[in-house]
Amino acid sequence: GNSVTQMEGPVTLSEEAFLTINCTYTATGYPSLFWYVQYPGEGLQLLLKATKADDKGSNKGFEATYRKETTSFHLEKGSVQVSDSAVYFCALKDSSYKLIFGSGTRLLVRP
Amino acid sequence: DAGVIQSPRHEVTEMGQEVTLRCKPISGHDYLFWYRQTMMRGLELLIYFNNNVPIDDSGMPEDRFSAKMPNASFSTLKIQPSEPRDSAVYFCASSSPRDRGPGGYGYTFGSGTRLTVV
Repeated sequence: GNSVTQMEGPVTLSEEAFLTINCTYTATGYPSLFWYVQYPGEGLQLLLKATKADDKGSNKGFEATYRKETTSFHLEKGSVQVSDSAVYFCALKDSSYKLIFGSGTRLLVRP
Repeated sequence: DAGVIQSPRHEVTEMGQEVTLRCKPISGHDYLFWYRQTMMRGLELLIYFNNNVPIDDSGMPEDRFSAKMPNASFSTLKIQPSEPRDSAVYFCASSSPRDRGPGGYGYTFGSGTRLTVV
């Protein structure tokens, strides 16, 4: 079945460091791919999305490119801030319209 | 729009009691999803509706769980009887394929209900 695999956390970085959170997927057909962010005590918020191969989603300095050849959708940011500390979820939407989430990666950014 | 509204935000109940969680989706969204989040199992899709009709309830853990959507603006998730292992955060989300805004193709999540069964 369809699935999403994320790197284990927590990821701990100093402010202004470069961030990469790896995400790979297994799916039949051509799913849409998403990154969601969850701040403490809150629900998930859509961070960015890509709906077809080679699309690049971007928002708030975060980017991810839909790579069909490597079945990946890695999240990157050039310079993280303390306020980016949160849990990040990679997800795919299959033809049934269900969102399938990865296990989440906690990011801690230290001043 | 006020977004997806869930109530209550927190619920503490004793084992064996009935618990009802409520959700109001975004107006015009025709898909509604219930998720459960725990440390051990992450985010699990319990059930989802399209146009108020349950489409897939294969994630509902057992017969103690039931969900309804009597109209386009309201859904409930009921646990009867509740058990300590049901303690989790329950999220409701809504979506629409016709949503061409920034959140288009994605889901909008509510803030969740934190359920504690003692």
